Amino acid sequence: DSGVTQTPKHLITATGQRVTLRCSPRSGDLSVYWYQQSLDQGLQFLIQYYNGEERAKGNILERFSAQQFPDLHSELNLSSLELGDSALYFCASSVVQGGTDTQYFGPGTRLTVL
Amino acid sequence: AQSVTQLDSHVSVSEGTPVLLRCNYSSSYSPSLFWYVQHPNKGLQLLLKYTSAATLVKGINGFEAEFKKSETSFHLTKPSAHMSDAAEYFCVVSEPGTASKLTFGTGTRLQVTL
Repeated sequence: DSGVTQTPKHLITATGQRVTLRCSPRSGDLSVYWYQQSLDQGLQFLIQYYNGEERAKGNILERFSAQQFPDLHSELNLSSLELGDSALYFCASSVVQGGTDTQYFGPGTRLTVL
Repeated sequence: AQSVTQLDSHVSVSEGTPVLLRCNYSSSYSPSLFWYVQHPNKGLQLLLKYTSAATLVKGINGFEAEFKKSETSFHLTKPSAHMSDAAEYFCVVSEPGTASKLTFGTGTRLQVTL
């Protein structure tokens, strides 16, 4: 158990809908990262927040957005869903160790868009 | 830009025999390198990391990896495979100054047979 929690575990929805994925980082971690894992794209970095502020952006679609709240939990919002958005979405949090940021991953949310 | 190449998409070994999972990296800077493991329907677990200290890195569950700058490699090894090692393994690179964005390899599926 990494200490990172994600809810829900599974989500099934229809095209055009909007969903929210939630992540609680490890205690004391200020950074939260979101990743998407799909069969055709592999594991891709989406976005990072640090202490409430956006820090880095990866291959995140404009239909997707995220935020980090004062209690440091984060939410990933996916809107106008398409079939291709079906994937496993991971959240990770990090603590600086020896000058290197080590990321610890949650169990993921499996999103199925029908 | 940073990247990693996992040279084998699938490796099959017999229980009790050595494991070798190969990874080459490309980075403009001195990278941090990681190996993560993903068991079926599970999240990503950190196996080990290299952070420019010792070039031979020991991880959990008997795995280790050696950083070879001249070969730009970071291969993962284990002396004796166990059935529980069957999983997907990801080689990952992170560069300083990129807000710790991780770039994942495409993964190597390790099969362990009796």
